[in-house]
Amino acid sequence: AQKVTQAQTEISVVEKEDVTLDCVYETRDTTYYLFWYKQPPSGELVFLIRRNSFDEQNEISGRYSWNFQKSTSSFNFTITASQVVDSAVYFCALIVNTGFQKLVFGTGTRLLVSP
Amino acid sequence: GAGVSQSPSNKVTEKGKDVELRCDPISGHTALYWYRQSLGQGLEFLIYFQGNSAPDKSGLPSDRFSAERTGGSVSTLTIQRTQQEDSAVYLCASSSPAGGIDTQYFGPGTRLTVL
Repeated sequence: AQKVTQAQTEISVVEKEDVTLDCVYETRDTTYYLFWYKQPPSGELVFLIRRNSFDEQNEISGRYSWNFQKSTSSFNFTITASQVVDSAVYFCALIVNTGFQKLVFGTGTRLLVSP
Repeated sequence: GAGVSQSPSNKVTEKGKDVELRCDPISGHTALYWYRQSLGQGLEFLIYFQGNSAPDKSGLPSDRFSAERTGGSVSTLTIQRTQQEDSAVYLCASSSPAGGIDTQYFGPGTRLTVL
């Protein structure tokens, strides 16, 4: 069975602080894909990044960066110099390559960035 | 192009009534997914369509729930004899997994309230 754990329920930071959102996953499959989605107050899930299990390179996109480590089954997300607009719920998710492509989501981390 | 659209955005119904929720996927996307987001259960998978067929209905919580997709495009999720525990946000996503796993793009959701 697959499982995604986001242990941080809620994080509060002040604008311009850096913040890391943790994600730990469980799967016995060797081929899988990891995702991060953002859910702002409007409610729509916005795709941020996708990573496959064979690509452990870290990725940076503007203020966002992702650290994928298979040794610890983690796929952590860092926001540098946070802004108020980053306030949202962030979900980590997993798909295994078995044909039925359902996303298994973590419980989400609510990030509150105050001015 | 246009994203995934869902209607209605909000639906309030009385216990015991039937409801229909509609999803219009991104044009050209062959795969379509329904998820449910509720306070107690987080984000959970309901059903997956590839074209008009549903190879994975494993997430439908009871036989009161059904879904269909016609013309490889629009999908309707029907809940019969609604119960209060059906209150949730119903999210639809689509993807184009030609030969692999593709990113799922989500619609804005339908918020269902059962009184």
